Amino acid sequence: DSGVTQTPKHLITATGQRVTLRCSPRSGDLSVYWYQQSLDQGLQFLIQYYNGEERAKGNILERFSAQQFPDLHSELNLSSLELGDSALYFCASSVGPGTSGYEQYFGPGTRLTVT
Amino acid sequence: GNSVTQMEGPVTLSEEAFLTINCTYTATGYPSLFWYVQYPGEGLQLLLKATKADDKGSNKGFEATYRKETTSFHLEKGSVQVSDSAVYFCALSGSGGSNYKLTFGKGTLLTVNP
Repeated sequence: DSGVTQTPKHLITATGQRVTLRCSPRSGDLSVYWYQQSLDQGLQFLIQYYNGEERAKGNILERFSAQQFPDLHSELNLSSLELGDSALYFCASSVGPGTSGYEQYFGPGTRLTVT
Repeated sequence: GNSVTQMEGPVTLSEEAFLTINCTYTATGYPSLFWYVQYPGEGLQLLLKATKADDKGSNKGFEATYRKETTSFHLEKGSVQVSDSAVYFCALSGSGGSNYKLTFGKGTLLTVNP
């Protein structure tokens, strides 16, 4: 158990809908990262937050947004869903915004299926 | 930008065989290197890491050495077990600025038969 929790574990929804994925980092970790894992794209970095502020953006679509709340949990919002958004979405956390060799700890993921 | 290339799978071995999974990288500066493992139906677990050239990361019998001259970080284990069956990901994170995101290879599926 990494100490990172994600809810829900599974989500099935229809095209055009909007969903929210939730992540709680390990106790004491200030950074949260979101990754998408799909068969064709592999593991792709989406976005990073540190202590409530956005720090880095990766291959995140404009239909997707995220935020980190004062209690440090984070939410990833996916809207106008398309079939291609079906994937595993992972959250990871680490202590800081980045120091040499820092480690990211991953949650169990949310499997999103868009029908 | 940063990139990671790891050997295509799947890899199938018998128990107690020697394992090597090749990983090479492209990055500017001095990245940190990682191996993560994903067991079926689970998230990624950090297996080992190395933060500078010639560092050797090790854990649970797995080892990998950070080779800057060949930009490689190959994963090895002397004697695999059935319980090692999983997908293995090589990854790097950059140094400084917004480079702390992890860049992953495509993953290598390892199956160990009894």
